[in-house]
Amino acid sequence: QKEVEQNSGPLSVPEGAIASLNCTYSDRVSQSFFWYRQYSGKSPELIMSIYSNGDKEDGRFTAQLNKASQYVSLLIRDSQPSDSATYLCAVNRNSGYSTLTFGKGTMLLVSP
Amino acid sequence: NAGVMQNPRHLVRRRGQEARLRCSPMKGHSHVYWYRQLPEEGLKFMVYLQKENIIDESGMPKERFSAEFPKEGPSILRIQQVVRGDSAAYFCASSPVVAETQYFGPGTRLLVL
Repeated sequence: QKEVEQNSGPLSVPEGAIASLNCTYSDRVSQSFFWYRQYSGKSPELIMSIYSNGDKEDGRFTAQLNKASQYVSLLIRDSQPSDSATYLCAVNRNSGYSTLTFGKGTMLLVSP
Repeated sequence: NAGVMQNPRHLVRRRGQEARLRCSPMKGHSHVYWYRQLPEEGLKFMVYLQKENIIDESGMPKERFSAEFPKEGPSILRIQQVVRGDSAAYFCASSPVVAETQYFGPGTRLLVL
């Protein structure tokens, strides 16, 4: 079983819709969770971090964490064409320091 | 406040040559991480360093690869005797304290001919 799994996509949504991106992880001791956005040929850019069960909202983005189900998701409301990118889920397993394990990413395409 | 800086942005080497990739963390950050992204693959952790110390190198290949973060100057990822399979994007990230959010640099794209 892969450590961090994401559907590779592409996930296609029309402009203005809600995009829902999902991620599962295998290691129950995982401590913290991150969503990064990566445009083609660019570096990962942090969108959200989440550490506790429940929802965390930041503008149009909402991260959801369920440690019992080992599941983390990212919702993007009012999707814009500029949101078209690959979204990377990252998990930190270590409590003492941070080394991230990434999923392969989900490509999101928002059509005008 | 300048972000994480990496140079060169693009590097071309022939098989058997050495590649040196440099990373300057964000101001105030003393923790540096190196990741590699192969074509069509996810980001893979390679090594985590603090000033003058390697904390975790569990993701680094045992041969040809080395990393350092000296007291003065940037962190350096060194690849000796490069092979075509080393062609990838190498990203450096930094964080201010242990277990804090990591911020990525623009990456170095290495092409081995």
